[in-house]
Amino acid sequence: SQQGEEDPQALSIQEGENATMNCSYKTSINNLQWYRQNSGRGLVHLILIRSNEREKHSGRLRVTLDTSKKSSSLLITASRAADTASYFCATAPQGGSEKLVFGKGTKLTVNP
Amino acid sequence: DVKVTQSSRYLVKRTGEKVFLECVQDMDHENMFWYRQDPGLGLRLIYFSYDVKMKEKGDIPEGYSVSREKKERFSLILESASTNQTSMYLCASSWGITGANVLTFGAGSRLTVL
Repeated sequence: SQQGEEDPQALSIQEGENATMNCSYKTSINNLQWYRQNSGRGLVHLILIRSNEREKHSGRLRVTLDTSKKSSSLLITASRAADTASYFCATAPQGGSEKLVFGKGTKLTVNP
Repeated sequence: DVKVTQSSRYLVKRTGEKVFLECVQDMDHENMFWYRQDPGLGLRLIYFSYDVKMKEKGDIPEGYSVSREKKERFSLILESASTNQTSMYLCASSWGITGANVLTFGAGSRLTVL
């Protein structure tokens, strides 16, 4: 069952620009996580934000969470060609089995 | 660093063959998961396990089974492979008593069924 929906599906920018990806979800959550996937490889965890947090930073990454709008955004500042990858949000729904549910991802291309 | 190792990066099998995908993690994680990833469909959970010998169905268990005889190893079995099981298979593990914790993924196994 798909919970998170990333937007846009694809994003192409120049090196040095900022990249913003959005994630919307439907049910109340315990936490929301962002993962990155290089082409043909497994996913790598980037950042976790809990439902009682509004913003979190990690290096060039900034994640915001708006539980009233059921949405999150991932901002990558000063992007590099090496940031080219697909980015997925994953939500941990409250109650039930609490398994992570992944969105379909945003494919980011950073042009040198 | 937590390491999740999937035994095969690429496999080519024929329709009707029995296929084993192996996954081993080296950090004593309680939870292990199998996902499949298809273009336009994202990641979908096949099966997961919270403990040795325990397994629970995910969203798309049909045509698959799993085995967890040891804590570090979680196997995905396709009893009779079909062409619609051609996909990228991702194994993941996490610590703790809930499936909501951070997942560590293997590199993936790309299966082609002819």
